[in-house]
Amino acid sequence: DVVMTQSPLSLPVTLGQPASISCRSSQSLVYSDGNTYLNWFQQRPGQSPRRLIYKVSNRDSGVPDRFSGSGSGTDFTLKISRVEAEDVGVYYCMQGTHWPPTFGQGTKVEFK
Amino acid sequence: EVQLVESGGGLVQPGGSLRLSCAASGFTFTSYAMSWVRQAPGKGLEWVSSFSGGGGGTYYADSVKGRFTISRDNSKNTLFLQMNSLRAEDTAVYYCARAYCSSATCYPTDYWGQGTLVTVSS
Repeated sequence: DVVMTQSPLSLPVTLGQPASISCRSSQSLVYSDGNTYLNWFQQRPGQSPRRLIYKVSNRDSGVPDRFSGSGSGTDFTLKISRVEAEDVGVYYCMQGTHWPPTFGQGTKVEFK
Repeated sequence: EVQLVESGGGLVQPGGSLRLSCAASGFTFTSYAMSWVRQAPGKGLEWVSSFSGGGGGTYYADSVKGRFTISRDNSKNTLFLQMNSLRAEDTAVYYCARAYCSSATCYPTDYWGQGTLVTVSS
């Protein structure tokens, strides 16, 4: 299975400041069709997961533009340009290029 | 509005069975693949199974293969997960999610239900 490794696992943040989460895969996530099936999910406390980003850098409908995704191959990053109170929660990367789909361990974002 | 509502969770003894349901509304159910994803208490997310939209293909994590069966009733817009030979390590919140089947895999995407808790314990 493809191992997805996130860092850090805990991210203390300050309101209004930027934040960044790294996700590395044990194999390249570029599929033979040219697509890279790397997604980012947010899980707020007590809620179901919500997808934020698909195929590395595409924001889902309704996702604020302070969230952005980037990367290629095996290295990917989720950035929050200015953290807001509602951004507290756990963030997961997930790959859909290789069977089975696998998630990272999660990064807990909380205020300092 | 897209809605996914899971039901059927509960407490079951090791070796027992449960059938989870996921009622879908607000979108054309037959046009979409669907997935089950679980989350053990205090842990991360684990993909469990997917059912493709048109082709009828089914896919399972190795940890549940041979014990769990995914199915769907398109006439009732409902997804199911039949879970047999349950083990303590199957204890988790089970989410159904709308999925996407690329030429690569079938994986959960943009809409998730609220989840249903399955507890396997004697």
